[in-house]
Amino acid sequence: DTEVTQTPKHLVMGMTNKKSLKCEQHMGHRAMYWYKQKAKKPPELMFVYSYEKLSINESVPSRFSPECPNSSLLNLHLHALQPEDSALYLCASRIGPNFSYEQYFGPGTRLTVT
Amino acid sequence: GIQVEQSPPDLILQEGANSTLRCNFSDSVNNLQWFHQNPWGQLINLFYIPSGTKQNGRLSATTVATERYSLLYISSSQTTDSGVYFCAPPGGSEKLVFGKGTKLTVNP
Repeated sequence: DTEVTQTPKHLVMGMTNKKSLKCEQHMGHRAMYWYKQKAKKPPELMFVYSYEKLSINESVPSRFSPECPNSSLLNLHLHALQPEDSALYLCASRIGPNFSYEQYFGPGTRLTVT
Repeated sequence: GIQVEQSPPDLILQEGANSTLRCNFSDSVNNLQWFHQNPWGQLINLFYIPSGTKQNGRLSATTVATERYSLLYISSSQTTDSGVYFCAPPGGSEKLVFGKGTKLTVNP
C-alpha cells in the first residue's frame, strides 16, 4: 500500500485561528516532508523529518510549526497565518535517508486564510 | 544547486495524439521522478527512473543521465491525462528539485 493520507482536505481559517494539518503513512517510511504549493507553481519544500527528527527547515516562518509524534504521523500546526499563506499543502514520505529517493505524496490540504 | 528545466511549458492535444515532454537538468543525477498532478492537486507518481527506459501502459520514460535529460512519452492521449507533469531529480541527500512543469490539456 503506497498511500499517504492527509486531513482535512479543505480548511478555511481566520488570521487569529490556530489549526493543524495531519499527515499519516503506514508504509514504514522514516522520512516525511511538508511542501507548500501556490497556484501554477511547483511544490516548495518546507520541512523534512528523518527518523522523527527535524532535519531540514527551509527558513519557514515560525507561524508554521511542524511536529512528528511518531514514525507514521506528521502534523503541521498553524497559527496567526496571513492571507498569502493560502495554498495547497502537500505531505510526502520516503523510505528513509540512504535509501531510494522516491517520494510518495498525499492528496493535499487546500488552505484558505481569510 | 541543480537547475531543472521542462519543456514545453504548455501543450494542447486532441484525444488520441502522442506527445513527448522533456526535462533537462544541470548536474548528473542518479535518479529522477516524474509526477502527474491532476486538476484536484494530487501528485501521482508516474516513474522513478535511475536511468534507461521504463514503461507503464501508454506512458514511458527515458533518462539519459550522461546527457542530463529525461523524456516522458504519452501515447494515445486521453482527457484524463490532462494536468501538470513535473520532473524532479534529487537536489541533495533528502530533497527533490522540481521543474516548473508542463501543463497538458487533452481535448475530446
